[in-house]
Amino acid sequence: DAKTTQPNSMESNEEEPVHLPCNHSTISGTDYIHWYRQLPSQGPEYVIHGLTSNVNNRMASLAIAEDRKSSTLILHRATLRDAAVYYCILRDIRGSTLGRLYFGRGTQLTVWP
Amino acid sequence: EAGVAQSPRYKIIEKRQSVAFWCNPISGHATLYWYQQILGQGPKLLIQFQNNGVVDDSQLPKDRFSAERLKGVDSTLKIQPAKLEDSAVYLCASSSLSSGGASYEQYFGPGTRLTVT
Repeated sequence: DAKTTQPNSMESNEEEPVHLPCNHSTISGTDYIHWYRQLPSQGPEYVIHGLTSNVNNRMASLAIAEDRKSSTLILHRATLRDAAVYYCILRDIRGSTLGRLYFGRGTQLTVWP
Repeated sequence: EAGVAQSPRYKIIEKRQSVAFWCNPISGHATLYWYQQILGQGPKLLIQFQNNGVVDDSQLPKDRFSAERLKGVDSTLKIQPAKLEDSAVYLCASSSLSSGGASYEQYFGPGTRLTVT
């Protein structure tokens, strides 16, 4: 399983942008970069994913380095509801591992009012 | 659309007892996953079903854990006998393939918190 490295924790103030980094130096050409988040007492929820190009959706933006060895999840204006554990996951689209997610410990994001 | 349903939400049992968890995925989702999440860690995949067939159960402790998805819809995960280290949240997730087969997301249920005493 391709590995990712994330900081254990980060903090932000409400309404400020948040940049959550992820390193994945051993990424392969068929690995998609997925981000999920887990709010307290809930199951994880999908945030965003990408392969090579930067991606935007209603929740966040994903900036992918040109060499794909790192990526950054960007929350443009943090709210209290964004306080969660954020997981950066490499998802291999090949063969029998199709669809499987391998979670690390993620980054605990604290948002201060 | 209705999300992934799981029951019960909480369960407390003594070690060596048995327990079962139930999951009803989102309608039409062919793939179903069971994860175990120990406190402070990320979810760990236990088993993956495609319709009613097992795709991957390499991380399932088969001496005590079993899972089935007989009609390709809902699923049950059983532990017998339970050990103290089985205390965790058990999460069920489902997904459907996109047309490209490579970009779908998993939808998770709220989980069942198991405490083994």
